[in-house]
Amino acid sequence: QKEVEQNSGPLSVPEGAIASLNCTYSDRGSQSFFWYRQYSGKSPELIMSIYSNGDKEDGRFTAQLNKASQYVSLLIRDSQPSDSATYLCAVHGSYIPTFGRGTSLIVHP
Amino acid sequence: KAGVTQTPRYLIKTRGQQVTLSCSPISGHRSVSWYQQTPGQGLQFLFEYFSETQRNKGNFPGRFSGRQFSNSRSEMNVSTLELGDSALYLCASSVGQGADGYTFGSGTRLTVV
Repeated sequence: QKEVEQNSGPLSVPEGAIASLNCTYSDRGSQSFFWYRQYSGKSPELIMSIYSNGDKEDGRFTAQLNKASQYVSLLIRDSQPSDSATYLCAVHGSYIPTFGRGTSLIVHP
Repeated sequence: KAGVTQTPRYLIKTRGQQVTLSCSPISGHRSVSWYQQTPGQGLQFLFEYFSETQRNKGNFPGRFSGRQFSNSRSEMNVSTLELGDSALYLCASSVGQGADGYTFGSGTRLTVV
């Protein structure tokens, strides 16, 4: 059973702070890693993808991948109230993407 | 370009009925996957279609079925509805088998009463 684990939260951070979201996975053959953002009542939206070890930055978002530790993280710098959402980690190996249950992020003014 | 279109957006059905949901992927995307999302279970994979062929199937009973047409549009069908089938059904479009990430449709909210 391939698993993707995330802390359900909620993770509460003040506006302007760095939010750190974490994800671990069990399938060592995993090759593609994704972060989706899901606002309440909406569908998930792809915000980051990462395929190799290290960091990948896109605007205020940084994805970090450590395949040896089977660990993926998402950093959100200068967090805004509009970042309040559930963040889903997805891992793709040889089968189909497996999703974590998501971490709820609350950014308070 | 147009996104992923799912119809209908909302459905209310009674137990025992059947339902058909539709999904039109992004133009040029040949892979369509279906997921069920509930608060308790998160996103659960139903099945994936690529070029009209079912490539993968999740751990759902045979009451759940799907198909894909030559224009890549996909339908999923649920027969003999149960209360536990109430969920958000999401269609995800991708170029390949999700290895490049998904674009999700807005979903169909199914309520079984």
